Parts: sequence; structure tokens; C-alpha cells
Amino acid sequence: GQQLNQSPQSMFIQEGEDVSMNCTSSSIFNTWLWYKQDPGEGPVLLIALYKAGELTSNGRLTAQFGITRKDSFLNISASIPSDVGIYFCAGSTGANSKLTFGKGITLSVRP
Amino acid sequence: NAGVTQTPKFQVLKTGQSMTLQCAQDMNHEYMSWYRQDPGMGLRLIHYSVGAGITDQGEVPNGYNVSRSTTEDFPLRLLSAAPSQTSVYFCASSYGTGFTGELFFGEGSRLTVL
Repeated sequence: GQQLNQSPQSMFIQEGEDVSMNCTSSSIFNTWLWYKQDPGEGPVLLIALYKAGELTSNGRLTAQFGITRKDSFLNISASIPSDVGIYFCAGSTGANSKLTFGKGITLSVRP
Repeated sequence: NAGVTQTPKFQVLKTGQSMTLQCAQDMNHEYMSWYRQDPGMGLRLIHYSVGAGITDQGEVPNGYNVSRSTTEDFPLRLLSAAPSQTSVYFCASSYGTGFTGELFFGEGSRLTVL
């Protein structure tokens, strides 16, 4: 089946720094999504991307749908302590396919 | 607006016991699903439903049973609990078929099987 690769498993940054995460696959996806999970909570949708090359922002977050349709990127600018959590990418190959999740990246922000 | 509500939040079972995790949503979503989350494994789809009376298997369905008699509710049944089913379970729903990915998740149910 399709797999989404996220690495590294954990990232440690200093408050105020920018951080980039990517998500790659050997398969083509038609939809890319980024979710964040706060400790003890369920994941929450951050950004959804539906078109190759699309660049979308949500506050300090910016995500891009890769031109090859096999990858996506999430950037967080000027990190703050509440950015701590697990960031999942997810993808779908079409209207009738299941949503596939990456294994997630745990982000820690040092004050 | 409650969104997606899961009960119980915590449960401890002995091997071989059965139980039901409840999930209810008040957003009139057609699509509902169950995921399990294990360390280093991400979110894996157990079962899903695209509407009342319709269910289908996900990636890891063995040992679990579901039914969808109403739009609002989608319970997950563990038939005979095993230690390998120790996990955090999330219910999620969506406006459409769910495959566009805009899922709304519950807060999770943490299950320990001894």
C-alpha cells in the first residue's frame, strides 16, 4: 500500500527559530494534509492542499504541495512553546481512496 | 457544539474480556472512522463507515467489530481483548466521504489490556 515517510522522528528547536518538515512518498497523491496533535488530544487539521504546486499559509504555518505530487512540506516560522506536539502528514490518492498518515514528527521547543 | 465525543477516556481490560468504545458526533457527518495510535506507528485505520448501514475494513481490522445503525454513532467492539490491542483509539468524522482528509478527531480512548 501507499506509505508516507516523515523523518526524523523527533526535532528539537529553540523558541523563535523556524523549522521545516517534509513528507515524501513513492506514490502520487491528489490531496496532502498536515495535522497537529497536542499532548493528550486528538489530531487537528492545520492545512489542506489540493493542487500540485499549491502554497497555503495558516498564521505562522506554511505548507506546499510538491510539484511531483509525491511530497509536501510544512514550515513553522518564529516557533513558540505551544508549537510542541506531533505533526502528521496525510495523503489521499483520490475521492474513493483511504487517507494514509505518516508516522509523525514530535516537535520540542526549548524556551 | 460537542463535535466528536469518545467514551470512555481510559479503560483497563484483562485478556479475553470484551468491551465497546463509544463514538458519537453531532455534526451530521456521513463519514466516521476508527484509528489506533501506537508509538512510532502513526495512525492506522481500523474500520470506517460512509453512512448508516455501511461499514468497511481499514488497514488493521482483525479483532475489532463495528456497526453503524445511526448517522451519529459508530461504536468499536473488541471481541476478545489481547495485549496487542493496548493502544490509544481515535474516532474521526468528516463531512463527505472522508477521503478528502478533513477529519475531525475525538480526544481519544486509552486502552490497556493486561
